[in-house]
Amino acid sequence: GQQVMQIPQYQHVQEGEDFTTYCNSSTTLSNIQWYKQRPGGHPVFLIQLVKSGEVKKQKRLTFQFGEAKKNSSLHITATQTTDVGTYFCAGLEESGYSTLTFGKGTMLLVSP
Amino acid sequence: EAGVAQSPRYKIIEKRQSVAFWCNPISGHATLYWYQQILGQGPKLLIQFQNNGVVDDSQLPKDRFSAERLKGVDSTLKIQPAKLEDSAVYLCASSGRADPSWNEQFFGPGTRLTVL
Repeated sequence: GQQVMQIPQYQHVQEGEDFTTYCNSSTTLSNIQWYKQRPGGHPVFLIQLVKSGEVKKQKRLTFQFGEAKKNSSLHITATQTTDVGTYFCAGLEESGYSTLTFGKGTMLLVSP
Repeated sequence: EAGVAQSPRYKIIEKRQSVAFWCNPISGHATLYWYQQILGQGPKLLIQFQNNGVVDDSQLPKDRFSAERLKGVDSTLKIQPAKLEDSAVYLCASSGRADPSWNEQFFGPGTRLTVL
């Protein structure tokens, strides 16, 4: 079955530093979604990428979808303490009907 | 608009007991999902409903887990009997779009289950 892998599992940065998490799928994706889960909270949708090579920005967050539609990244510029949480990517397989498969997530800790 | 509601928020049971979780999706959302999230992992889909029909239950351990969505609105997830490895957060999510190629999901607060 489809597998979605994320690296790193965990990252601790100082406030103001940049952060990047990477997501790789074992199969080609029709789209990829990113979610953020605060400690003790539930996943909250951030964005969806659909097109090969697509880049989308949300303030300090930049999302990319790979040309082969098998990988994606989330980059946060100048992290803030409010960025603390676990970031999940979730991919939808291109072939036929499928459901979202979540990665294990990258936990981000930001120290002031 | 009101979000996805779940109850209870916490549940502690002993192994071999039964437990049930309830979910009320966002009004008008036809698609409802139940996920299991074990500590340190991403949500794992257990079952997906489209209105009151099951779309995908391939990862639902059917020997002990069951779910229903009567009338295509509320849903319940049951575990009978529970095992230690069922300890997890059970998340309900809903989506307003039937097209799986665009299915932003709205999650409820989850039910944290501890099996002793």
